Amino acid sequence: AQKVTQAQTEISVVEKEDVTLDCVYETRDTTYYLFWYKQPPSGELVFLIRRNSFDEQNEISGRYSWNFQKSTSSFNFTITASQVVDSAVYFCALSEAVSGSRLTFGEGTQLTVNP
Amino acid sequence: SAVISQKPSRDICQRGTSLTIQCQVDSQVTMMFWYRQQPGQSLTLIATANQGSEATYESGFVIDKFPISRPNLTFSTLTVSNMSPEDSSIYLCSVEDWQDQETQYFGPGTRLLVL
Repeated sequence: AQKVTQAQTEISVVEKEDVTLDCVYETRDTTYYLFWYKQPPSGELVFLIRRNSFDEQNEISGRYSWNFQKSTSSFNFTITASQVVDSAVYFCALSEAVSGSRLTFGEGTQLTVNP
Repeated sequence: SAVISQKPSRDICQRGTSLTIQCQVDSQVTMMFWYRQQPGQSLTLIATANQGSEATYESGFVIDKFPISRPNLTFSTLTVSNMSPEDSSIYLCSVEDWQDQETQYFGPGTRLLVL
C-alpha cells in the first residue's frame, strides 16, 4: 500500500529564511509519481510539481527547488528566501501506475512566514 | 491546465438534508475525481468518475451516501446525502490534465458546514 509521510506538522520562519519541507513515501510499485501542492488560506489546491520515479534530477523553479532521492524514498521541497505569500499548507502526494491516478496525500505541513 | 469551477463555493446545511455540488471544467476530460478534506486534515479520495460508467468508490465511501453523476466530459456532480455534522468538510473535484494525464488539477472547493 502506498503511504506519504510529512513529519513536520507546522513550520514557522521569518521572511527571507530558507525552509525545507520533508516528504517520505512508501510504495511497492516501480513506476510512480510524486507531487507537491500548495493550499493557501483561500482553500484551493495549487499544483506545484510532478516527478516520476525514473527521473531523479533535482528541479529548480525560481525560489522553489525539489530534491528527489529514491535511496531514501524522499521528495523534499525547499523554498529559498521565503516570503509572507508562501504561507500555506503544503501537501506531498503519490500516485502509483498500477492504481491509476489515485492520489495519496500526506498530512500536510503548515508553513507560516512571518514578516 | 484546465479551468475548474465548483458550485456552491460554500454552504451551511441542516442535518438530514442533502446537498449537490457541481464541478464544471472548461475542456473535455476523461477522468474526474472527488475528494474530501475534513477540518485540519489531508485530502481523501471519495470516488473516481468516468463519463458513461458508474463511479468507482474508495473504501469507506458508498454510493448511497455520495451519489455521483457524470453526464458528459465537462461536468460532474457529487451529492452529500442525509448530512450529519461529521460531513462538514471541504469537497474538491479534480481532473487529469489532458496533456499530462498523470497530473491532477483541482477546483476551488466547496466548504460545507452541517449544523
